[in-house]
Amino acid sequence: GQQVMQIPQYQHVQEGEDFTTYCNSSTTLSNIQWYKQRPGGHPVFLIQLVKSGEVKKQKRLTFQFGEAKKNSSLHITATQTTDVGTYFCAALPLTGNQFYFGTGTSLTVIP
Amino acid sequence: DGGITQSPKYLFRKEGQNVTLSCEQNLNHDAMYWYRQDPGQGLRLIYYSQIVNDFQKGDIAEGYSVSREKKESFPLTVTSAQKNPTAFYLCASSGGQGYTEAFFGQGTRLTVV
Repeated sequence: GQQVMQIPQYQHVQEGEDFTTYCNSSTTLSNIQWYKQRPGGHPVFLIQLVKSGEVKKQKRLTFQFGEAKKNSSLHITATQTTDVGTYFCAALPLTGNQFYFGTGTSLTVIP
Repeated sequence: DGGITQSPKYLFRKEGQNVTLSCEQNLNHDAMYWYRQDPGQGLRLIYYSQIVNDFQKGDIAEGYSVSREKKESFPLTVTSAQKNPTAFYLCASSGGQGYTEAFFGQGTRLTVV
């Protein structure tokens, strides 16, 4: 079945440091979404990537979709304590009709 | 105030009992989903529905049942056949067939004792 791996599983950073999480699929994707879940909360949509090699930015967050449309990354520049939470990718396979969520990366920001 | 509502937030049940989790949305979305979240794991799809009176099994449908009699509502029943029902359950809705963002409810934490 569809496998979506995310690394790392956990990341602790000092406030102000950068952070990156990677999402890798076993199959080619149609598109990929990213969500953030705060501790005790529910996932909230951040962005969707559709095109091969696409790069999108939201303030300090940079999202990339790989050229082969099998992987994606989320990079946060100069982390803040408000960035704390778990970041999930959700992948839509080229031949599928449902999104498969990655295992998530839990980010802790140390003030 | 538009959104997706799950109730209750916390639910306790005895082993062997069926329990129904509520999910209501007023976003006029066609598609609705139920996910299960366990510690350290991603969200796993239980059931989804893309239109009223129709639904499909996700990856972990065994021991669960759903209905979609109204566009706004997509209740999930956790049956006694579900071997490990204690988990955090999330309901979501989206406006299209897998190409738009999903809006999640606040979740229901089910504990079976």
